[in-house]
Amino acid sequence: AQSVAQPEDQVNVAEGNPLTVKCTYSVSGNPYLFWYVQYPNRGLQFLLKYITGDNLVKGSYGFEAEFNKSQTSFHLKKPSALVSDSALYFCAVREREEKLTFGTGTRLTIIP
Amino acid sequence: DTGVSQDPRHKITKRGQNVTFRCDPISEHNRLYWYRQTLGQGPEFLTYFQNEAQLEKSRLLSDRFSAERPKGSFSTLEIQRTEQGDSAMYLCASSATGTGFSGANVLTFGAGSRLTVL
Repeated sequence: AQSVAQPEDQVNVAEGNPLTVKCTYSVSGNPYLFWYVQYPNRGLQFLLKYITGDNLVKGSYGFEAEFNKSQTSFHLKKPSALVSDSALYFCAVREREEKLTFGTGTRLTIIP
Repeated sequence: DTGVSQDPRHKITKRGQNVTFRCDPISEHNRLYWYRQTLGQGPEFLTYFQNEAQLEKSRLLSDRFSAERPKGSFSTLEIQRTEQGDSAMYLCASSATGTGFSGANVLTFGAGSRLTVL
């Protein structure tokens, strides 16, 4: 069965510093990988996806993610954090099954 | 607004009552999904439709839950004889199948319907 793990429940970063939110996945074949962000009282918003091709994927709001097949990781990154990036971030994977399987989420707090 | 709409946004009910949630997906999207999210957890898959056909149901979807998408457009999720453990945010999402365009395979979520069972 497909699964993802987000090892950090909470990540704190100073404004202007680079940020990383970690995600590892488990599938038996080739994965489709996604990052979503959730703000309070709002639905999940799509940030970026990896399907195939270039291992570095660029997405919305200056975020990017690097697919690493040998480490089965898909970490979310941003070079310079903004206070407005504070939110709940979810990694998700899709394999043969049609549904997305989500991680438990990482709460990102950017400290002014 | 061409996003995914869910109604109601909030529902408070007493244990044992039935509730129904409605989802209106993006009109061009042929797939519709229902997820459930509890506090501190990621969304958990419940079921999905391709057009009007319900193609997969999670084991989380007990006999008290039923979902329909009668004309391949809007969908309803009904919970009968609600229990306190049903309290959660119910999320609807839609997507378009295919390849070669940026939105392929991307789920667009609605804001959710929050259920509180007293």
